[in-house]
Amino acid sequence: RKEVEQDPGPFNVPEGATVAFNCTYSNSASQSFFWYRQDCRKEPKLLMSVYSSGNEDGRFTAQLNRASQYISLLIRDSKLSDSATYLCVFYSGSARQLTFGSGTQLTVLP
Amino acid sequence: EAQVTQNPRYLITVTGKKLTVTCSQNMNHEYMSWYRQDPGLGLRQIYYSMNVEVTDKGDVPEGYKVSRKEKRNFPLILESPSPNQTSLYFCASSSPGATDNTIYFGEGSWLTVV
Repeated sequence: RKEVEQDPGPFNVPEGATVAFNCTYSNSASQSFFWYRQDCRKEPKLLMSVYSSGNEDGRFTAQLNRASQYISLLIRDSKLSDSATYLCVFYSGSARQLTFGSGTQLTVLP
Repeated sequence: EAQVTQNPRYLITVTGKKLTVTCSQNMNHEYMSWYRQDPGLGLRQIYYSMNVEVTDKGDVPEGYKVSRKEKRNFPLILESPSPNQTSLYFCASSSPGATDNTIYFGEGSWLTVV
């Protein structure tokens, strides 16, 4: 099993739609979790951290399910500007090694 | 302002001509790493460093070298570049054990080897 699995998409959704992505991980020692956003061929930027209790930032909600070993990102009321690639990222192990998902491509259509 | 700075941002070079891509961060981060990104393959780690004088291979280290003589700098060295090293390169830094363990990325370096 891959260390991290992320549906590459592409997800094409209309404006205003709700869309959700998951990212599963195999290393149970994973400790910190993030969602990053990457616009075409630019550097990834932090969208939000993912906390055990779940967290929300405006239209974005992130959740962590340690039992099933996945994190999720929910985007409500999609905007055209949400079109990007979304990467899950986590630290794992005593060395706090970083692991990236391969990214999920989202296109929000007018 | 928190920053990771890479140079050069764009470079076209010839096969076999040694080059160095510099990376510098101003956040006193212990952890620094290099990635390459190619279409359909996502971010792949080349090398990483947990602290000064400590470096380790990532997933795709062949053809690259790094050094970490100072905490702020983590240059990527291509001793004899080949066309298959044409890619978009990102440097990143973070402080994994800190309250703010956000990973910060440089703006990327586009490298073409002809």
